[in-house]
This record gives sequence, structure tokens and C-alpha cells, in this order.
Amino acid sequence: KAGVTQTPRYLIKTRGQQVTLSCSPISGHRSVSWYQQTPGQGLQFLFEYFSETQRNKGNFPGRFSGRQFSNSRSEMNVSTLELGDSALYLCASSRLAPPQETQYFGPGTRLLVL
Amino acid sequence: KQEVTQIPAALSVPEGENLVLNCSFTDSAIYNLQWFRQDPGKGLTSLLLIQSSQREQTSGRLNASLDKSSGRSTLYIAASQPGDSATYLCAVRRGKTSGSRLTFGEGTQLTVNP
Repeated sequence: KAGVTQTPRYLIKTRGQQVTLSCSPISGHRSVSWYQQTPGQGLQFLFEYFSETQRNKGNFPGRFSGRQFSNSRSEMNVSTLELGDSALYLCASSRLAPPQETQYFGPGTRLLVL
Repeated sequence: KQEVTQIPAALSVPEGENLVLNCSFTDSAIYNLQWFRQDPGKGLTSLLLIQSSQREQTSGRLNASLDKSSGRSTLYIAASQPGDSATYLCAVRRGKTSGSRLTFGEGTQLTVNP
């Protein structure tokens, strides 16, 4: 069974631009969560989707948004990029909505904002 | 607000040594606790998941314990190998009714020297 897939794996953008990251969960998984990882802040929760509904959102500005499609694939968008948005963005999927079972993480998308 | 602390931040040991990584959390109202491994530039791999009602979980050379009342968990690695070199992260999930996010510690960077 294929794991969680994230595209693109690497991305370079400039300040003020916007970016869209994609996450394809493991087949049969309906829950997708997103996390941001930076050297200074560590891993921080962005949002969680289950069956196309956002169930939970972390403490990030409105520039960060996401959605989930009917096939459970998820996208997150960051508008008006800032230097501080440079990070590894990880998504995780699980069959059921957390916290009922283990989440499986993808390899991440590394975003560099110049 | 839940805070998770991992000690030590870095650890270097010779191959074959048994070692213990520590994780502490401030709010004992957790649903479960998970240990992850992260290799440089990669995503997270789940190692062990302990439900709040459990005291420990074992997988191969790994054993994780949980003392919810004192807010502590340990990850014991037996007979360490160079392939165990990675960053180990613990994460706690709050009660079922209060959201589904994982709160991560900063991690322990482990180096096992041949």
C-alpha cells in the first residue's frame, strides 16, 4: 500500500507570492492533518480535515488555508508569503478521525521563501 | 496550554549501548502519546503509540512507558545500532473532546557511533 504522498517535495518562492501544497493520503484514509516544522518553533499544528470538513485549526494567520476534496486529497495554500513561512510542511493521514488511531506522515514539502 | 519537553536535546552513544530518552508534558489530560522518528530532511515515522490507559508498549528493541499522573514518558532503546541515529520526537494528543492535534516536543537528536 502506497504511503502518504506530498507534492512538490521542494519549492522556492519569493516574498509576496502564494503557494499551494498537495497531500494524497493513504488509500482508504479520510483524515488529513497538516503541520509546519521550523528549527525555531518545532512542529506546529496547522489544520485537520475529515470527509471534506475542517475539524480543527491551529494558531496560524488567515494567510494559511486548506481544503479537502471528495477523494480525501488535501491542499493547503499560503498567500502573501513571508520569509518566516520557510519550513517543512508535513501532512499526515489516518483512516478515522484523530485521536482514534495512528497517523501516518508523508515526506513533507520543503518551502524556501526568498 | 500543553507543553512537551524532551531531554536531552542531543545524545551521542557508542554502538551496543542501551539508552533512554525522556519526554515530559504539563497537562496530564492526554488521550494518547506517540513516539516518532525523523531522519534528516524526511518525514516522521511512527514508532509506538501508547493510549492513556496503558503503561507501556514494546516493538522490537524499543519500549515506551507512560506515567500519565506524573506527566512523563520514556523511550528505551536496547542494543543501539548506527541505523538508530535520527531525531526522536514525542507527541501528545489531548482528550477526545478538545481537539485532535498532536503537540510535539522539540526532539532528541541521537547519534550512535560505530
